[in-house]
Amino acid sequence: NAGVTQTPKFRVLKTGQSMTLLCAQDMNHEYMYWYRQDPGMGLRLIHYSVGEGTTAKGEVPDGYNVSRLKKQNFLLGLESAAPSQTSVYFCASSLQRPDTGELFFGEGSRLTVL
Amino acid sequence: AQRVTQPEKLLSVFKGAPVELKCNYSYSGSPELFWYVQYSRQRLQLLLRHISRESIKGFTADLNKGETSFHLKKPFAQEEDSAMYYCALSGTLSYNQGGKLIFGQGTELSVKP
Repeated sequence: NAGVTQTPKFRVLKTGQSMTLLCAQDMNHEYMYWYRQDPGMGLRLIHYSVGEGTTAKGEVPDGYNVSRLKKQNFLLGLESAAPSQTSVYFCASSLQRPDTGELFFGEGSRLTVL
Repeated sequence: AQRVTQPEKLLSVFKGAPVELKCNYSYSGSPELFWYVQYSRQRLQLLLRHISRESIKGFTADLNKGETSFHLKKPFAQEEDSAMYYCALSGTLSYNQGGKLIFGQGTELSVKP
């Protein structure tokens, strides 16, 4: 039972390069989220989706784009990476709204932008 | 706006001592509050939610709407409790607001032998 899977797990980019992080869940969950984790800042919500074909901005959306073309996948894109985007990125999913349901997290993707 | 504040970055206690991890929130509606935990080399996972009024691994948390707090407590800490703890809040004002979970900065709990 894979749960929430993130790829890649590690990546090093140069400033200005682009990349996409893939999050896949096999639990048929409606809700999916992308967070970034930084020391002293905790987890901050980047973007989220309440269902296939929908996306919404979180706390720190600038510099990121997302897509939810398929229910099981939630992609996070960086069009022009900046050193400030060096972070650990976590994807999560939930069957119900987060006020009633549990979030299930991936293992994280560590991104370094030089 | 939704906001969660955990004032302590690090809390260090000895085994058997009581533990209280502080969490304060700001929200104009009726909040739903949670504690998530991340043990070393494990995924972030739900510890407990206030609506369930449950005790998990000896931890409890009481929602105090007057003080806008949701502190996590355990009477006797164990070494295996060492982890990063996150307080989180979900809004219920609207469909869009209810679609997200906002986390605090996290508190690292270290339980020494």
